[in-house]
Amino acid sequence: SQELEQSPQSLIVQEGKNLTINCTSSKTLYGLYWYKQKYGEGLIFLMMLQKGGEEKSHEKITAKLDEKKQQSSLHITASQPSHAGIYLCGADEFGKIIFGKGTRLHILP
Amino acid sequence: DTGVSQDPRHKITKRGQNVTFRCDPISEHNRLYWYRQTLGQGPEFLTYFQNEAQLEKSRLLSDRFSAERPKGSFSTLEIQRTEQGDSAMYLCASSPGRRSSYEQYFGPGTRLTVT
Repeated sequence: SQELEQSPQSLIVQEGKNLTINCTSSKTLYGLYWYKQKYGEGLIFLMMLQKGGEEKSHEKITAKLDEKKQQSSLHITASQPSHAGIYLCGADEFGKIIFGKGTRLHILP
Repeated sequence: DTGVSQDPRHKITKRGQNVTFRCDPISEHNRLYWYRQTLGQGPEFLTYFQNEAQLEKSRLLSDRFSAERPKGSFSTLEIQRTEQGDSAMYLCASSPGRRSSYEQYFGPGTRLTVT
């Protein structure tokens, strides 16, 4: 089955700085989700990408799916304390989502 | 729209006891999913329903686990004879399930602790 690798596993960033999180798949992606999770809580839907080269933005967060549809990146511009949490990428596999292990983002004031 | 709700939010039980969790999806969402998440890991798929039909079950879902969605609205997940390894966050998600939108929206989860 599909496997997703996220990098980095953990990230500490000064408030106001930009950052990028990567998600690499072992197979072609037919749907790629990005979610955010606060510690101990449910997942918040950020965006879903389906087409090669697709790019979507939500407030200061931009996600891209590469042309080959095997890699996605999530970029946060001018990070804020509210961006702290766990970012999860997930691959759509015939309706269900296969998740990566997540990237833990800490924002330093 | 009130979003996906789950009840209870926290459950502490002794090993060997049975537990049942409830999930109420976003209204008019045809698909309902159950996932399990352990500490430091991403959620793992357990099962999903299209209306009242259970379409897929993961190998993670042992015989002690059963899920239902009797009227195609809310769903229940029951774990019989709980074991310490069942301790996890149980997440429910729903999606419209239409060609135009398979985006899954998650509830707050039920945290199970088996002592």
